[in-house]
Amino acid sequence: DQQVKQNSPSLSVQEGRISILNCDYTNSMFDYFLWYKKYPAEGPTFLISISSIKDKNEDGRFTVFLNKSAKHLSLHIVPSQPGDSAVYFCAASGSNTGKLIFGQGTTLQVKP
Amino acid sequence: DTEVTQTPKHLVMGMTNKKSLKCEQHMGHRAMYWYKQKAKKPPELMFVYSYEKLSINESVPSRFSPECPNSSLLNLHLHALQPEDSALYLCASSQTQGVDYGYTFGSGTRLTVV
Repeated sequence: DQQVKQNSPSLSVQEGRISILNCDYTNSMFDYFLWYKKYPAEGPTFLISISSIKDKNEDGRFTVFLNKSAKHLSLHIVPSQPGDSAVYFCAASGSNTGKLIFGQGTTLQVKP
Repeated sequence: DTEVTQTPKHLVMGMTNKKSLKCEQHMGHRAMYWYKQKAKKPPELMFVYSYEKLSINESVPSRFSPECPNSSLLNLHLHALQPEDSALYLCASSQTQGVDYGYTFGSGTRLTVV
């Protein structure tokens, strides 16, 4: 049972445009959500997070939106840059356990 | 130092071998984690250590044995592994157990069991 789902395995956007990566979850006990970026042969790198008490968090070019009623979150990257090309994982946690449940990942390609 | 260092980067072992994976951090983090990532799959939690004590064991087979000798080190001892255990093993740390501060992941050990 996949509790965190990223239904788009891949996404291709043009440099300078907006990248929107989506994530759905099923467990209503999740109260903290994170996005990680992963390059080949490296570990995941923390990008941005959001608590369930918020619906938006922004950090530079990265914004995460949370829709609790729809159990959906999205990561917006504006403007997209070729260096953003990587695998993006959505992750969720509940009750401050420290246990992260990851989605399957979306491979983003930003074309120059 | 803001890194989690994992050694070795690559490991090939036979099914009768005993080997260990090592993870080290000097950020003063008191929670450390082992994750396993199979090809084209998301990372999956194996173990959590909080203040050097095992906090979570996700029903991992006993052929995987974690050890936290001090607050900076986390080991994963491997014995009698199966080919299906081949995967990327990721170590992570956080300030305390909980994700509010985000994890810092290492680059992983690519394990191949032959």
